Amino acid sequence: AQRVTQPEKLLSVFKGAPVELKCNYSYSGSPELFWYVQYSRQRLQLLLRHISRESIKGFTADLNKGETSFHLKKPFAQEEDSAMYYCALSAYNFNKFYFGSGTKLNVKP
Amino acid sequence: ETGVTQSPTHLIKTRGQQVTLRCSSQSGHNTVSWYQQALGQGPQFIFQYYREEENGRGNFPPRFSGLQFPNYSSELNVNALELDDSALYLCASPGTPNTGELFFGEGSRLTVL
Repeated sequence: AQRVTQPEKLLSVFKGAPVELKCNYSYSGSPELFWYVQYSRQRLQLLLRHISRESIKGFTADLNKGETSFHLKKPFAQEEDSAMYYCALSAYNFNKFYFGSGTKLNVKP
Repeated sequence: ETGVTQSPTHLIKTRGQQVTLRCSSQSGHNTVSWYQQALGQGPQFIFQYYREEENGRGNFPPRFSGLQFPNYSSELNVNALELDDSALYLCASPGTPNTGELFFGEGSRLTVL
């Protein structure tokens, strides 16, 4: 069965510290992986997707098929990174997404 | 601005009642999906509509039903409400084709008493 697991509900770091938000998945086929973010009082929005191999706002994520992981990383956290982060998985046709339960990132000054 | 608008933003119902939630997309996408987000959880896929036909469904009972209209607005209907139906209901439309990007509405928060 398809599943996305984010083991940390809350992650607190100081400004300038490295950040890693963990995501593990289970999927029988070849998944497409995404990170979505929800800033305070804003709607859920796409942060990045593995297929484009991009860096957005300093965040990167590498798909590790062997470990079935898609961890989100940033070398130096900023206060404006404080938000809820959701890892998501979809099949190639994008008609259904499975979301993890989310990790709240709190970047302290 | 994603152009995905949902109404109402908040509503309160009692057990056994029925509710209709609405969604519209300014871009007129022919695909819309609905998600349920319970408190402290991620969004959970309910179903998707493509050109007015249901095109995929998650693990939700038949009392969750939907409609998509020719103008591509959409409704989510829930019958025989239960306490566990209390959640934020999100509507989403796709962004750039074949990228997997979803544009979400702000959601309708349903409380069932």
